[in-house]
Amino acid sequence: EVQLVESGGGLVKPGGSLRLSCAASGFTFSNAWMSWVRQAPGKGLEWVGRIKSKTDGGTTDYAAPVKGRFTISRDDSKNTLYLQMNSLKTEDTAVYYCTNVASGYAFDYWGQGTLVTVSS
Amino acid sequence: QSALTQPASVSGSPGQSITISCTGTSSDVGGYNYVSWYQQHPGKAPKLMIYEVSNRPSGVPDRFSGSKSGNTASLTISGLQAEDEADYYCSSYTSSSTFYVFGTGTKVTVL
Repeated sequence: EVQLVESGGGLVKPGGSLRLSCAASGFTFSNAWMSWVRQAPGKGLEWVGRIKSKTDGGTTDYAAPVKGRFTISRDDSKNTLYLQMNSLKTEDTAVYYCTNVASGYAFDYWGQGTLVTVSS
Repeated sequence: QSALTQPASVSGSPGQSITISCTGTSSDVGGYNYVSWYQQHPGKAPKLMIYEVSNRPSGVPDRFSGSKSGNTASLTISGLQAEDEADYYCSSYTSSSTFYVFGTGTKVTVL
């Protein structure tokens, strides 16, 4: 059974940093492209960024609102995906979901999400 | 990159069919067969319902079907059931630097 379990969310002040983790199991994590998607309270889904598998170069891409502030990384030995968030803004407040990128650029499996609140 | 346009709400009675539209541009929906649809119940994570315009993942009922014409994709739910009441989002690959774009979301109400 595929499982994605996010952790690391919480309350942080504007300008602060936070690192989210996503523990994966039930599939070959090292072969998977992975993404982060967020959802502000009462709002729609927003793609945050992705990381390719090391086989495909391991490169990262980010949405414009987070580029230069957020960094996605992976540790294939631990089957874990990370999202380092710096210079946080109030508009970054959202539930952050970890998801794998499957066939046709679809987001196949999703974690339960972790809430990040940026507030003074 | 603007979000794909979906109707805010769609409703239907049990057993009826409803269709949700998702309108983009030639840079996303119209340019690629990489449209997917997600169902989200309140407080839950999204669930993939359709990928590559019209393919259903294993376990998704065949009441759910997808199609595309030009820059507009559609999700049809046939034989509407109470458990289909949820928010639905479309998504598409895009040639912009954003790579992925989601729709604005549609709330489906079963009357």
